[in-house]
Amino acid sequence: AQSVTQPDIHITVSEGASLELRCNYSYGATPYLFWYVQSPGQGLQLLLKYFSGDTLVQGIKGFEAEFKRSQSSFNLRKPSVHWSDAAEYFCAVGAILGGSQGNLIFGKGTKLSVKP
Amino acid sequence: SAVISQKPSRDICQRGTSLTIQCQVDSQVTMMFWYRQQPGQSLTLIATANQGSEATYESGFVIDKFPISRPNLTFSTLTVSNMSPEDSSIYLCSAVTVGYGYTFGSGTRLTVV
Repeated sequence: AQSVTQPDIHITVSEGASLELRCNYSYGATPYLFWYVQSPGQGLQLLLKYFSGDTLVQGIKGFEAEFKRSQSSFNLRKPSVHWSDAAEYFCAVGAILGGSQGNLIFGKGTKLSVKP
Repeated sequence: SAVISQKPSRDICQRGTSLTIQCQVDSQVTMMFWYRQQPGQSLTLIATANQGSEATYESGFVIDKFPISRPNLTFSTLTVSNMSPEDSSIYLCSAVTVGYGYTFGSGTRLTVV
């Protein structure tokens, strides 16, 4: 069955430090992969997505993610974290239903705290 | 990509009542999805809403509790029926646009008292 694992429930980093959020997926074919961010009381915002091609994907707000098929991973990175990055981050994989894109399967999320 | 207008944005409801959530998409989309996000949790798929056919529900969700309508390619509703405090969650609709990915509504924050 398709699944997404985010091993880290909560991460705290200092402002200006680098960040890596881990995501592993289980999927039988080439997946569509996504990272979303959700600030408290807010909706979901797409950070970046991977469909095919270059395995290093650039997103908004200075985030990037690297698709590694051999490791079934799609880790999110940022070289220097800002206090405004404190939020919940969700990794998701897009299911394929009947040859078409289906629903998203979400990981449990990683809460990022940023200390001054 | 598509833009989704979802309403209401929030509501406080009495137990035993029902609430209907609406999502309007600004372009035609084939598949729409309804998710639930319980407090402090991730998003869980409730059902897939296809135009012209009955919704497909995930395990643990039933049509009597969460009836869904999809009358055309730009609109869908989710009703939360006979509500209890356990239904207090954020409900989100989503649409998929081939090649563009997924768009989400802004969510409905439901509190049942």
